[in-house]
Amino acid sequence: AQKITQTQPGMFVQEKEAVTLDCTYDTSDPSYGLFWHKQPSSGEMIFLIYQGSYDQQNATEGRYSLNFQKARKSANLVISASQLGDSAMYFCAMRVYNFNKFYFGSGTKLNVKP
Amino acid sequence: EAQVTQNPRYLITVTGKKLTVTCSQNMNHEYMSWYRQDPGLGLRQIYYSMNVEVTDKGDVPEGYKVSRKEKRNFPLILESPSPNQTSLYFCASSLDRERYGYTFGSGTRLTVV
Repeated sequence: AQKITQTQPGMFVQEKEAVTLDCTYDTSDPSYGLFWHKQPSSGEMIFLIYQGSYDQQNATEGRYSLNFQKARKSANLVISASQLGDSAMYFCAMRVYNFNKFYFGSGTKLNVKP
Repeated sequence: EAQVTQNPRYLITVTGKKLTVTCSQNMNHEYMSWYRQDPGLGLRQIYYSMNVEVTDKGDVPEGYKVSRKEKRNFPLILESPSPNQTSLYFCASSLDRERYGYTFGSGTRLTVV
């Protein structure tokens, strides 16, 4: 069975510090992609970063990086130099390409303190 | 502007009254999908479509129908809504390429009374 787990319901971080949001996944399929999305309080869903299961290097997009540890089946999101505007819900997701289905975690609410 | 347009943004309806939530994208994306978001559960995929006339069930398809007659449109149909379908719904689209991200609609908050 495919599953995405986010074990941190909520987190606080001081402005300008780095923060890591945890995500573990479970699939027996070798071909999959891992995604992180941001949902601000306004409700829209914003795609942040992607990591493919065959990628050798960790993905980076500006202040976002994905710490991909395949053997441990983890895909943690690292946000460097947190900003107040980073306060939001963050969702980890997985797409298994053989099934073309998407699986989302339950989310982590990040609060950035000034 | 590249976008996914969902309508309506808010809808209150009564049990059993058929409704359609529209979703349209202007990016020529092949892959489109519908999700519902409930507190503590994240997003769950309802249906997805790989291209015109190709649709398949996600994890929670019961009580929903979809169609993909044109590439740009992917409406979600609730034939007989029930209160347990009260939720926040998102439509999303993507090129069917591994590295492409997903563009989400603004969401539709549905209340069934």
